[in-house]
Amino acid sequence: EAGVAQSPRYKIIEKRQSVAFWCNPISGHATLYWYQQILGQGPKLLIQFQNNGVVDDSQLPKDRFSAERLKGVDSTLKIQPAKLEDSAVYLCASSLGQGSYNSPLHFGNGTRLTVT
Amino acid sequence: DAKTTQPPSMDCAEGRAANLPCNHSTISGNEYVYWYRQIHSQGPQYIIHGLKNNETNEMASLIITEDRKSSTLILPHATLRDTAVYYCIVRGFGNEKLTFGTGTRLTIIP
Repeated sequence: EAGVAQSPRYKIIEKRQSVAFWCNPISGHATLYWYQQILGQGPKLLIQFQNNGVVDDSQLPKDRFSAERLKGVDSTLKIQPAKLEDSAVYLCASSLGQGSYNSPLHFGNGTRLTVT
Repeated sequence: DAKTTQPPSMDCAEGRAANLPCNHSTISGNEYVYWYRQIHSQGPQYIIHGLKNNETNEMASLIITEDRKSSTLILPHATLRDTAVYYCIVRGFGNEKLTFGTGTRLTIIP
């Protein structure tokens, strides 16, 4: 089974620029998550989708971050404009569906963003 | 959310069993215990999960106490590639997302 695919693997931008990350979940997984992981910390949830609807975006800084999952499969996360504190690894994960607590989340290897 | 408590770091000799403890004293009856690990520069990797009974797979064993207030992840024959941060997470109804703490940094010593 193919895993969660993310691109790009690395990205370096200057502050105030914009950036976008892409995620392709495991086939058949209805739920998709974006996490932010700052160096030395555990991942923190930014947004959770169920198919193409948002379930939880309470931790997403909506003034600069946006995410979409238009067809219920692939997803993009965008930052505009970026700040120095956005330097982190952005992880995408997917799982079978809401309520499937007996089914694990599977993570991609993330995009490492450096804002200079 | 049920919170978990893990030691910040542990060492284990290569070839020995690594036993990683986790306390989750406020766990609810319908919440699962999940274990993930994160090797440097990779995303978190699913290891194992359980509800009440002990579980075993090709990677590890999970021992959950009868009162479910604590659990232990066992890596039976640790190798250098098991060096990673290990996260114990409680997940269930009303808490579907995984909420990560700071985990245990396990170092396997040659």
